[in-house]
Amino acid sequence: GAVVSQHPSWVICKSGTSVKIECRSLDFQATTMFWYRQFPKQSLMLMATSNEGSKATYEQGVEKDKFLINHASLTLSTLTVTSAHPEDSSFYICSARVMGSSSYEQYFGPGTRLTVT
Amino acid sequence: DQQVKQNSPSLSVQEGRISILNCDYTNSMFDYFLWYKKYPAEGPTFLISISSIKDKNEDGRFTVFLNKSAKHLSLHIVPSQPGDSAVYFCAAGGGTSYDKVIFGPGTSLSVIP
Repeated sequence: GAVVSQHPSWVICKSGTSVKIECRSLDFQATTMFWYRQFPKQSLMLMATSNEGSKATYEQGVEKDKFLINHASLTLSTLTVTSAHPEDSSFYICSARVMGSSSYEQYFGPGTRLTVT
Repeated sequence: DQQVKQNSPSLSVQEGRISILNCDYTNSMFDYFLWYKKYPAEGPTFLISISSIKDKNEDGRFTVFLNKSAKHLSLHIVPSQPGDSAVYFCAAGGGTSYDKVIFGPGTSLSVIP
């Protein structure tokens, strides 16, 4: 149980275009999902906390107008990288907490490799 | 300001021996700690957790020890297996935010057959 999927698993796009990444909890409902970014050989950097039915909470230094997050349902959150640039190339990972859980435990998706050319 | 630290970027251990991965934190408000394992190009997988009311939690080959006074926790893997080779992240939750956890920089474990 507690499976999280991401789509696409990898994407290549041209500079200036927008890319949407989907994060789905397959067998549980998640009121809270998280979006992380990981640079090579570095830790997971939390970008934003996505709450179903409300605006996402962005971490300091993350541009909310560039990284649009929509948590449309209890099983789906999307991250749209707008006007992508090569420096946005990275590994993006989402995670989800089980609705009603009192634990901090998060279940992670497999990640999406974004390459901006 | 790194609130969760893993001072050893890498560790090599012989198969069958014990692997000890260390983690230190600075925020005394943290009350829940987790360990995740990550393979390249994959999302992290939850391994084991511990709340601040305990000082030890065990699950099979994995044991986590928490020393609150020292703000230190460690993950012990016994016996280590080649399949354990991965990056291990320590994470801490609590403090001002109930939801999110803070991840350490990770320790790359290599188990040598």
